[in-house]
Amino acid sequence: AQSVAQPEDQVNVAEGNPLTVKCTYSVSGNPYLFWYVQYPNRGLQFLLKYITGDNLVKGSYGFEAEFNKSQTSFHLKKPSALVSDSALYFCAVRLILTGGGNKLTFGTGTQLKVEL
Amino acid sequence: NAGVMQNPRHLVRRRGQEARLRCSPMKGHSHVYWYRQLPEEGLKFMVYLQKENIIDESGMPKERFSAEFPKEGPSILRIQQVVRGDSAAYFCASSREEGRNSPLHFGNGTRLTVT
Repeated sequence: AQSVAQPEDQVNVAEGNPLTVKCTYSVSGNPYLFWYVQYPNRGLQFLLKYITGDNLVKGSYGFEAEFNKSQTSFHLKKPSALVSDSALYFCAVRLILTGGGNKLTFGTGTQLKVEL
Repeated sequence: NAGVMQNPRHLVRRRGQEARLRCSPMKGHSHVYWYRQLPEEGLKFMVYLQKENIIDESGMPKERFSAEFPKEGPSILRIQQVVRGDSAAYFCASSREEGRNSPLHFGNGTRLTVT
């Protein structure tokens, strides 16, 4: 069965410093990987995705993620964190099934806190 | 361009009552997904529907829960005889097609509280 792990419940970063939010996955076959962000009392917003091609994917709000097949990881990164980046971040994986379907399996989320 | 619309935003029900959660997908989207988010947990897939069809309901509890997406109108997630353990945030998402390049767009959720 496919699964996603986010090993850190919370990540604290000072504003202006680089940030990394970790994600590892387990699937059989080629993974399709996503990052979403959730602000308080809101739904999830799509940040970026990896389908194929370059291992470094750029997304919204200056975020990027690096796909590493050998380490089965898809860590989210940003060179310089902002206080407004503070939110809950979810990694997700979709396995391509016969017949399609866009069902995502989500990690448990990582709370990012950026402080002045 | 309105996003995914869910209503109500907050719903309070007493044990044993029925809860009906509505979701209108984005314009042009014909695929709807329901997810449940419990405190301190990630989102758990419940059901995937297309118009008038349930495609995958592998995440739905076997009893009391049902979902539909009629030809006209919103998708409905229905919970009969609610219990305290049903208290959670329920999110609906939609996509334009089932293809791999179509990300899910989420609504703001319905927060169900069972008293």
